[in-house]
Amino acid sequence: NAGVMQNPRHLVRRRGQEARLRCSPMKGHSHVYWYRQLPEEGLKFMVYLQKENIIDESGMPKERFSAEFPKEGPSILRIQQVVRGDSAAYFCASSSDRAGGELFFGEGSRLTVL
Amino acid sequence: EDKVVQSPLSLVVHEGDTVTLNCSYEVTNFRSLLWYKQEKKAPTFLFMLTSSGIEKKSGRLSSILDKKELFSILNITATQTGDSAVYLCAGPNFGNEKLTFGTGTRLTIIP
Repeated sequence: NAGVMQNPRHLVRRRGQEARLRCSPMKGHSHVYWYRQLPEEGLKFMVYLQKENIIDESGMPKERFSAEFPKEGPSILRIQQVVRGDSAAYFCASSSDRAGGELFFGEGSRLTVL
Repeated sequence: EDKVVQSPLSLVVHEGDTVTLNCSYEVTNFRSLLWYKQEKKAPTFLFMLTSSGIEKKSGRLSSILDKKELFSILNITATQTGDSAVYLCAGPNFGNEKLTFGTGTRLTIIP
């Protein structure tokens, strides 16, 4: 039973380009969360999605960032017109329908903006 | 706004020592508190605490929650170099699974 799969593991973009990060939740999990971790900081919640629905996006910057979790395929976190401050590790986590708060995390995608 | 504060921010001890990591929280509609261990990659789940005063144990690690004083501690006895990691504490809101994380305690074990 594969865990939460994220790709790419490392992504380098120049300022102004777009970054797309993908997350496939654990088998049987329908809840996906995205977190951002800046160097030497804790994990910051960004967005919580279920299939085809955004449940809570209170942690997402209002501009340039979007997330989706389509009926088929992985969840995608999209960052348009990246800036240096977007450089961070982006972690995806998933949980089952009846999880009591336990999230299973992927290995993360490290974005570097030049 | 929900807040989770961990202390100390970093800790360096010798192998074999016992350490206590602290987590205090202000989370609306508190339901449970979670501890994760993060080495250089994905945070891995350690404990979920929902009831006050009941210790959870896993090998050399144990944790307990005090809901009245709004804090939790994570103890590690007979530390080993493999315990070196960042330990994260997090609290979810009731009704959804959003976790508010503390900044973590960076634990370094010296052989």
